Amino acid sequence: QQQVKQSPQSLIVQKGGISIINCAYENTAFDYFPWYQQFPGKGPALLIAIRPDVSEKKEGRFTISFNKSAKQFSLHIMDSQPGDSATYFCAASRNAGNMLTFGGGTRLMVKP
Amino acid sequence: EAQVTQNPRYLITVTGKKLTVTCSQNMNHEYMSWYRQDPGLGLRQIYYSMNVEVTDKGDVPEGYKVSRKEKRNFPLILESPSPNQTSLYFCASSLSGRNNYGYTFGSGTRLTVV
Repeated sequence: QQQVKQSPQSLIVQKGGISIINCAYENTAFDYFPWYQQFPGKGPALLIAIRPDVSEKKEGRFTISFNKSAKQFSLHIMDSQPGDSATYFCAASRNAGNMLTFGGGTRLMVKP
Repeated sequence: EAQVTQNPRYLITVTGKKLTVTCSQNMNHEYMSWYRQDPGLGLRQIYYSMNVEVTDKGDVPEGYKVSRKEKRNFPLILESPSPNQTSLYFCASSLSGRNNYGYTFGSGTRLTVV
């Protein structure tokens, strides 16, 4: 049973469009929600993270939206570029971060 | 360069033949962890270590062993590998397990057990 459910599994977006990836979690003890980006042949790399005391965090073209009551959070990639094509993982942790639980991943393809 | 180094990158082995995947970090991180990545399942934690000589089970520890004798190294041991352990494995480290710092991942080890 996955504690963090991610959708969609794959996503195709035109260059310049908005990519949206959604995640939902069960455990209300989660208190840290990072997103990781993984290129083929590489390990995941931290992209952006949010804590539940804020509803939105923006870093450049990447924005996390967080809805605590719905237990959902999402990643928005504005002005998507072909270089954004990668697999994206949402994650959540509790108890000071020693157990990071990942979603199933979303393979994003941005078409030129 | 700050990094997590895993070896080997690729490994094909036979059922039952013990193997070790090494992991080393040069960032003086306290926290280290092993994950396996399978399609549709994301990354699942196998074991983690909060510091030297302190290890604990993750979500999928069966069939794996770890040790943390030195701060920089965290090897993953498969005593008797089986085909269901065919997967992509990642080692990760973080400054501390007591606070939420980002993880640095290695480049992965693709293991095939036949």
